[in-house]
Amino acid sequence: AQTVTQSQPEMSVQEAETVTLSCTYDTSENNYYLFWYKQPPSRQMILVIRQEAYKQQNATENRFSVNFQKAAKSFSLKISDSQLGDTAMYFCAFMKHGPSGGSQGNLIFGKGTKLSVKP
Amino acid sequence: EAQVTQNPRYLITVTGKKLTVTCSQNMNHEYMSWYRQDPGLGLRQIYYSMNVEVTDKGDVPEGYKVSRKEKRNFPLILESPSPNQTSLYFCASSLSWQVVPYEQYFGPGTRLTVT
Repeated sequence: AQTVTQSQPEMSVQEAETVTLSCTYDTSENNYYLFWYKQPPSRQMILVIRQEAYKQQNATENRFSVNFQKAAKSFSLKISDSQLGDTAMYFCAFMKHGPSGGSQGNLIFGKGTKLSVKP
Repeated sequence: EAQVTQNPRYLITVTGKKLTVTCSQNMNHEYMSWYRQDPGLGLRQIYYSMNVEVTDKGDVPEGYKVSRKEKRNFPLILESPSPNQTSLYFCASSLSWQVVPYEQYFGPGTRLTVT
């Protein structure tokens, strides 16, 4: 069974600085997908960034980027130029690639990291 | 506007009183899923549906039922709610479980309290 571990329950960062959230996962699969979701106080789940395991290039989305280390099974999220609106819970999630070429659809989530951006 | 809607958003009920949380999406998505979120546990999948009339258990299905009679709707049924089902529930959908990038769109959540 797959597991996702986020070892930092809480983190804080000063506005405009950079912060990195850690995520490790355990799987015997070779093909899979990784995601970071953001959950602000409104509780809405918002996709931040995704990474396909077969791609070596790290995904980036504006101020958000990942460091994907497949051999180490590590998938960290870097937030540059942190803004007050980045304050939220961040969840790392794993989805395996199904045998028929599709996904099994089940997102396995970590327990989350609560990020506070301080002015 | 493309969205996933859930109703009700908040519900307080008593043990044993059957309830249904509705979920509807207007994006013609094939795949739909229910998750529950508990403090310190993250989100865990309850049930999912790959298409109409096709449903399967997730990681924590006990005490829940689902149905998928129409593509857009995926209600979650608690036939005899118990206090350990007090949680925040999310419905999610994606275009298809067979199509990259499998991005799941989440509803706004339903806060359920069972006393």
